[in-house]
Amino acid sequence: DPKIIQKPKYLVAVTGSEKILICEQYLGHNAMYWYRQSAKKPLEFMFSYSYQKLMDNQTASSRFQPQSSKKNHLDLQITALKPDDSATYFCASSQDSGRYTLYFGAGTRLSVL
Amino acid sequence: TQTVSQSDAHVTVFEGDSVELRCNYSYGGSIYLSWYIQHHGRGLQFLLKYYSGNPVVQGVNGFEAEFSKSDSSFHLRKASVHWSDSAVYFCAVSGGSALGRLHFGAGTQLIVIP
Repeated sequence: DPKIIQKPKYLVAVTGSEKILICEQYLGHNAMYWYRQSAKKPLEFMFSYSYQKLMDNQTASSRFQPQSSKKNHLDLQITALKPDDSATYFCASSQDSGRYTLYFGAGTRLSVL
Repeated sequence: TQTVSQSDAHVTVFEGDSVELRCNYSYGGSIYLSWYIQHHGRGLQFLLKYYSGNPVVQGVNGFEAEFSKSDSSFHLRKASVHWSDSAVYFCAVSGGSALGRLHFGAGTQLIVIP
């Protein structure tokens, strides 16, 4: 059974709309992350959370807002969607925010039309 | 600024061959290096990592990697590949205080011909 669940697996949105990508991990980890993989760029870091607090943010746009309602949840809200936001978004977790192995979910593939 | 370079976008070998996937990095401080594998349509899976100690590290499924400070490299090797090793392999580096922030290379697609 997958230990990091991302929902939905595929998502199609229109330009200007808002979507929420869901991530839940059942590994008992304290740190969670969002990464983005697009056709134009290598896999790139977006956010890291530790004990539900934002630790690191490499996303320039405020349209991307992580939300952590529980320690094992880290959702990603994206507003005013643009076609350039089309990518696969991966959630990951690690035991803590140090030199620990990252475990990745299967990803949410977002297409913005 | 941390950078990771994977010089080969594609590598094609026959089953049973040995393979080396190249990774070079640029970073000034102490670093943490790792390799991940991504099968088509799936998330990344951890293979191995290096932080300190023996520069040759062993990973899952017979993979190993060797760290070289002088060459700024962390190449991944396998002595005898199987068709199921066909996937995209990503080298990643992190360092400083942001150890959870991995910088990934562009990936190398390994194709193993049965």
